[in-house]
Amino acid sequence: AQRVTQPEKLLSVFKGAPVELKCNYSYSGSPELFWYVQYSRQRLQLLLRHISRESIKGFTADLNKGETSFHLKKPFAQEEDSAMYYCALSRPSNTGKLIFGQGTTLQVKP
Amino acid sequence: DGGITQSPKYLFRKEGQNVTLSCEQNLNHDAMYWYRQDPGQGLRLIYYSQIVNDFQKGDIAEGYSVSREKKESFPLTVTSAQKNPTAFYLCASSITAGQTYTGELFFGEGSRLTVL
Repeated sequence: AQRVTQPEKLLSVFKGAPVELKCNYSYSGSPELFWYVQYSRQRLQLLLRHISRESIKGFTADLNKGETSFHLKKPFAQEEDSAMYYCALSRPSNTGKLIFGQGTTLQVKP
Repeated sequence: DGGITQSPKYLFRKEGQNVTLSCEQNLNHDAMYWYRQDPGQGLRLIYYSQIVNDFQKGDIAEGYSVSREKKESFPLTVTSAQKNPTAFYLCASSITAGQTYTGELFFGEGSRLTVL
């Protein structure tokens, strides 16, 4: 079964510390994975996707097929990074029928 | 202002009543979706529509119904058959594979339904 797991409900770090939000998936094929973010009082929005291999707001995520992981990383957390982060997996046929993880709240303390 | 508009933001309903949540988009997207967001469970797909006059059930469609009579609109009805309707509902849209699909969903601000 296709599934996305984010093991941490809450991750609390101090400003300037490294951040790693964990995401593991199960999928029998070539996955397309995404990270979505929801800042306070804002809409859920795309942060980055693995096929783009991009860095957005200092965040990167590498797809590790061997470990079936897509962890989100940032070397130095900022207070404005505090938000809810969702990892998501795209189902076959390149549709928007995403499978979302449970979400991780990132709290960056001053 | 382009985007997805959901209404109402907050809605209360008594048990046994149907309620309809509105979702309108002016992004010219073919595909639209309804997700339900519950604490600790992430987002779960209720219904989706890839084109006008066509829609399919998602993972948790029981107790819900939708229509797609216009490209811009994808209303969701929460029926009295839905066992646990109190939740936060998110509408989204995207381009489809035929329009150089990127995987990005554009979300509305959500509607919070509380059943009393």
